[in-house]
Amino acid sequence: GAGVSQSPSNKVTEKGKDVELRCDPISGHTALYWYRQRLGQGLEFLIYFQGNSAPDKSGLPSDRFSAERTGESVSTLTIQRTQQEDSAVYLCASSFRVTEQYFGPGTRLTVT
Amino acid sequence: AQTVTQSQPEMSVQEAETVTLSCTYDTSESDYYLFWYKQPPSRQMILVIRQEAYKQQNATENRFSVNFQKAAKSFSLKISDSQLGDAAMYFCAYRSRGANSKLTFGKGITLSVRP
Repeated sequence: GAGVSQSPSNKVTEKGKDVELRCDPISGHTALYWYRQRLGQGLEFLIYFQGNSAPDKSGLPSDRFSAERTGESVSTLTIQRTQQEDSAVYLCASSFRVTEQYFGPGTRLTVT
Repeated sequence: AQTVTQSQPEMSVQEAETVTLSCTYDTSESDYYLFWYKQPPSRQMILVIRQEAYKQQNATENRFSVNFQKAAKSFSLKISDSQLGDAAMYFCAYRSRGANSKLTFGKGITLSVRP
């Protein structure tokens, strides 16, 4: 079946602009995660959604970052007033309850 | 908080040979999962192998196997009969068994395979 999809694949934006990144999880997966991967680094956890529970936002680096998820479907990660240090690949993953996570191809964000 | 350390930034292996990638971690928990993920240039994270901490037997998946040393908090990945397609970044990751199942990743290691 279809895997996790993310859009756009690449995004170039000017410093100070807002950006919105989208994640479509695997159908039926109740859990959804966002991670950030800076160049040459491992993945950093940003936020976690599990069903209708309150999301775990403990990884969000600042109040410029926010994310929403509608039910058990699409999620959007929004970065307001982007800064150059926000440049990274943003990866989304989904899982069914607490089983293994399946990752999307990521969105490469470049802030100029 | 849990931490995952991959101290080797790069490794190289000859095609058909065996290579071992190192990983150590720190946790106060007794029950957890450990993973190795592969990330080729396409950016797609691919699960290579998973180990459950309560299982003493080392996990194996075809040419991939792990050496899990719980007391030493060590989790290395052995790739046998290396193939050109194995060239990628490899990440070691930790996950608690509890409700918040986020993954904690190491910095990764770049593996190159020489033909």
